[in-house]
Amino acid sequence: EVQVVESGGGLVQPGGSLRLSCAASGFTFSSHDMSWVRQAPGKGLEWVSGISHNGGRTYNADSVKGRFTISRDNSKNTLDLQMNSVRAEDTAVYYCAKMVSRSRDGVDVWGQGTTVTVSS
Amino acid sequence: QSVQTQPPSASGTPGQRVTMSCSGGSSNIGSNTVNWYQHLPGTAPKLLIYSNNQRPSGVPDRFSGSKSGTSASLAISGLQSEDEADYYCAVWDDSLNGYVFGTGTKVAVL
Repeated sequence: EVQVVESGGGLVQPGGSLRLSCAASGFTFSSHDMSWVRQAPGKGLEWVSGISHNGGRTYNADSVKGRFTISRDNSKNTLDLQMNSVRAEDTAVYYCAKMVSRSRDGVDVWGQGTTVTVSS
Repeated sequence: QSVQTQPPSASGTPGQRVTMSCSGGSSNIGSNTVNWYQHLPGTAPKLLIYSNNQRPSGVPDRFSGSKSGTSASLAISGLQSEDEADYYCAVWDDSLNGYVFGTGTKVAVL
């Protein structure tokens, strides 16, 4: 079964850091681009960051540029999101997302999400 | 950020056909394929339509997608109570160099 499972969410103070992780299984991880997508309370889905299948290219939404860094380890089938200088507006459920193939093809498999709350 | 505009809500009675639009531009819908997602609060979103009009296995044929120019649409025929959810279009934007979700449409079954 194709599966992605997030971990690492929690409560973090404004200006602090948090690292999210995603464990993938059931597919050839190194053949697929991956992304993080979030949903803030009462808001719609927002794509946050993406990374190419080999880690050679990364993409970020304007809202997180310079603060969030996406990375992957194809030897461990894991995807990470390093969140620095977090703000209240980063409070959201964060989903790990497997892309159909390349990032422009879109998401076909989603995790259940991990909740990040930014508050003092 | 959302560059594709969707109507905030749509509704119908059981058995009816409901459609919703997704309006974009030349750098997104006009250049790339559109996917549609169904999202119930508290659950993982689900891929409904990919490549404008293709259904993944397991998705009922009541769901159909289409694209013309810089707009796309999703139709639900034979509306059922379990179709009450939020629906999002999504597409790669060449100008933003990112994957962008539409504003979302909440479907209510009356």
